Formats: sequence, C-alpha cells, structure tokens
Amino acid sequence: KAGVTQTPRYLIKTRGQQVTLSCSPISGHRSVSWYQQTPGQGLQFLFEYFSETQRNKGNFPGRFSGRQFSNSRSEMNVSTLELGDSALYLCASSLEGDEANYGYTFGSGTRLTVV
Amino acid sequence: AQTVTQSQPEMSVQEAETVTLSCTYDTSESDYYLFWYKQPPSRQMILVIRQEAYKQQNATENRFSVNFQKAAKSFSLKISDSQLGDAAMYFCAYRIQGGSEKLVFGKGTKLTVNP
Repeated sequence: KAGVTQTPRYLIKTRGQQVTLSCSPISGHRSVSWYQQTPGQGLQFLFEYFSETQRNKGNFPGRFSGRQFSNSRSEMNVSTLELGDSALYLCASSLEGDEANYGYTFGSGTRLTVV
Repeated sequence: AQTVTQSQPEMSVQEAETVTLSCTYDTSESDYYLFWYKQPPSRQMILVIRQEAYKQQNATENRFSVNFQKAAKSFSLKISDSQLGDAAMYFCAYRIQGGSEKLVFGKGTKLTVNP
C-alpha cells in the first residue's frame, strides 16, 4: 500500500511569487491535514480537509489556502511568498473519526525555500 | 489552549542503553490521545506509539514504552536497548477525542545514539 506522497520534494521560490504543493493520501484515507514545520515555531497546523471541504483551519494568514479533490488528493497554495514562509510543509492523511486516533500517516514533506 | 512541552531539546544515549524523553501537556479535556512521533533525516514523521487517555495501562511497542501519568499530565517515552537507527527528532503530540482533526505538537527532542 503506497504511503502519503508529497510533491515536489524541494522548491525554491522568490519573494512575491506563489506556490502550489501537492499531497496524495493513502488510498481510502479521506482526511488530509497540512502542517508547517520551522526551527523556530516547530510544527503548526495549517488546515484539514475532508470530502473536499475544509473542516479546520489554523492561525495562518489568508495567503495560505488549500483544496481537496474528489479523489482525496489535496493541494495547498501560498500566495505572495515571504521569506518567513520558508519551511518544511508536511501533509498527513488519516481515516475518519475514531480511526484517526490510531495515528496519522505523514508524507516526507516539501522543503520550500523563499529567497 | 492546549500546549505540549518537551523540556529536553537534545538527549544522547549509548547504544544498547535506555533513554527516557519527557513530555508534559496542558488540557482541560478528559478524553484525548497522545502520540510519539519520530522524524529521521528523511523528514517523514513516523508514529512510534500511542496512548488513549482513558486507559490506565501504559502503552508498549517492542523496545518503546510510555509512562503516562494523567493527573500530572505527563507522557514520557522510554527507549530500551537503543539502536543507531533510533537517532532522530522525537515529537510528542496530542489530539482531542472527537474534536478538531489536528495534532498539537511539542517542539521536539533530538536524540543522538552513540556507538
């Protein structure tokens, strides 16, 4: 069974540009969550999607957005990139409800560098 | 607000020895789940062990076990017979039962295993 796949693995962008990151969850998982990981702030929750609907959102500006497709694949978009957006972006998938308490499966992340 | 605190930014252990990583959390909820995740240099977060708050028995997975003290809101991870492959960042995380589909993470502990 394939794991959570995130593409691309590395990305370098210039300030002011926008970027789209992709996440394909484990087959059968309908919940996809995104996290930002930085040395200073650690792991912070961005948002969670289930059945193409955003169910939860973390405390991030509106420049951060996402969506989920009917096949559960998810994308997150960051517009007007700032240097502080440089981070490892991790995607996690899980089953619904109580099954999520068995843990989330993470991808290997996308390392975004903004210059 | 829920918070997770890992007071040891770095720890080291000799191969084959035992090490304990600390984690405390703050919550007013009575039903929740706790996790330890491992993040090796490959960046993928790997679930090590989970604990259900309503279970008094400490969880065990092979060489990994936890000491869960609900009243003290403490959830430490013990690694026995440490192996070189155990070297990684370890993150303690918390999830409310039936609540937001997000994990709240601590800042992590970097574990070095010396041969």
